[in-house]
Amino acid sequence: GDSVTQMEGPVTLSEEAFLTINCTYTATGYPSLFWYVQYPGEGLQLLLKATKADDKGSNKGFEATYRKETTSFHLEKGSVQVSDSAVYFCALFHSNSGYALNFGKGTSLLVTP
Amino acid sequence: NAGVTQTPKFQVLKTGQSMTLQCAQDMNHNSMYWYRQDPGMGLRLIYYSASEGTTDKGEVPNGYNVSRLNKREFSLRLESAAPSQTSVYFCASSTNGGRVNEQFFGPGTRLTVL
Repeated sequence: GDSVTQMEGPVTLSEEAFLTINCTYTATGYPSLFWYVQYPGEGLQLLLKATKADDKGSNKGFEATYRKETTSFHLEKGSVQVSDSAVYFCALFHSNSGYALNFGKGTSLLVTP
Repeated sequence: NAGVTQTPKFQVLKTGQSMTLQCAQDMNHNSMYWYRQDPGMGLRLIYYSASEGTTDKGEVPNGYNVSRLNKREFSLRLESAAPSQTSVYFCASSTNGGRVNEQFFGPGTRLTVL
């Protein structure tokens, strides 16, 4: 069945460093892909999405490109801030698999001043 | 526009007690979901409701029941709580499955079962 694999954390970076969080998926066809962010003590918020191959989702300086050939959707940001400290979840939706989002286990990011 | 709201925010139960988690959305969404979040496990779907009047089991439905009261409200009930149900519970909603199914999440209920 469908699955999502994320790099394990925690990831610790200094402010202004470059961020990459890897995400790969297994699915038939063309799923939609998402990155959600969870700030401490809060629910999940959609950060960005891509619905077809080669789409680039972007928001708040974060970007991710839907790569069909490598089945990947890596999250990147050029210069992280302390306020980016959160848990990041990669997720997949495939209409053939019902209605649920299929989540990765999450990657915790800590940005230090 | 409050989005998705959940009550309570925190709850402590003793083993065997029952409780209902409430969820409501004001975005006129057709579909609603209950997930649980456990450390290192990501989010797992408990139940979902594709439309008013319908509910279906997700990945981890045992020990739970749900009610889609109307289009806005979707409740989750624990009839006899167990320590294994200690978790953070999130409600979500979306317009419908479609091809994209962007889901909007509530703030969560942190439940501890002693």
